[in-house]
Amino acid sequence: GAGVSQTPSNKVTEKGKYVELRCDPISGHTALYWYRQSLGQGPEFLIYFQGTGAADDSGLPNDRFFAVRPEGSVSTLKIQRTERGDSAVYLCASSLGDTLTDTQYFGPGTRLTVL
Amino acid sequence: GESVGLHLPTLSVQEGDNSIINCAYSNSASDYFIWYKQESGKGPQFIIDIRSNMDKRQGQRVTVLLNKTVKHLSLQIAATQPGDSAVYFCAEYNLGGSYIPTFGRGTSLIVHP
Repeated sequence: GAGVSQTPSNKVTEKGKYVELRCDPISGHTALYWYRQSLGQGPEFLIYFQGTGAADDSGLPNDRFFAVRPEGSVSTLKIQRTERGDSAVYLCASSLGDTLTDTQYFGPGTRLTVL
Repeated sequence: GESVGLHLPTLSVQEGDNSIINCAYSNSASDYFIWYKQESGKGPQFIIDIRSNMDKRQGQRVTVLLNKTVKHLSLQIAATQPGDSAVYFCAEYNLGGSYIPTFGRGTSLIVHP
């Protein structure tokens, strides 16, 4: 079956612009995670959804970052007033959500470049 | 602050050799660990996990060892193949506190044919 998909695969934007990154999780997965990965580093947690609600958004770096999952499936990560330091690969993962140790399946990521 | 880290950023081996990738963690409350493999242009892929009540777990060609005394985790890959070339991350969880994983920097494994 289809895995986690993310669009766009690459996004180049200018400093100060607004961007939206989309994640389509595996069908039936109730848990969805967003991570940010800088070059040479491991993924850094941003936000976790269980269903439609953000169960944990403690990883969002500041109020320029926001994410939604209105119907409990597709999620959008929104970044306002982008800064050069926001450049990274943004990864999405989903899991069944039945238990805390359910395997997370990652998408290929969106590479964001802020000029 | 407490973090997960890897000793060797790059490991080069010959095809057929056994590989050992190491990870040190500093959060003594961590009780669940996962090794991920990340190929270029892809997201991390689950390889194997281990809970803190175990010190060894085996999968297909992979073995994870956990030494809680020295807070050390290792991933052993038997008969390494070129397809094993990737970056490997360990991730730690404190299931009693948060189910959000903390990832280390990663080790790049290069397998020469």
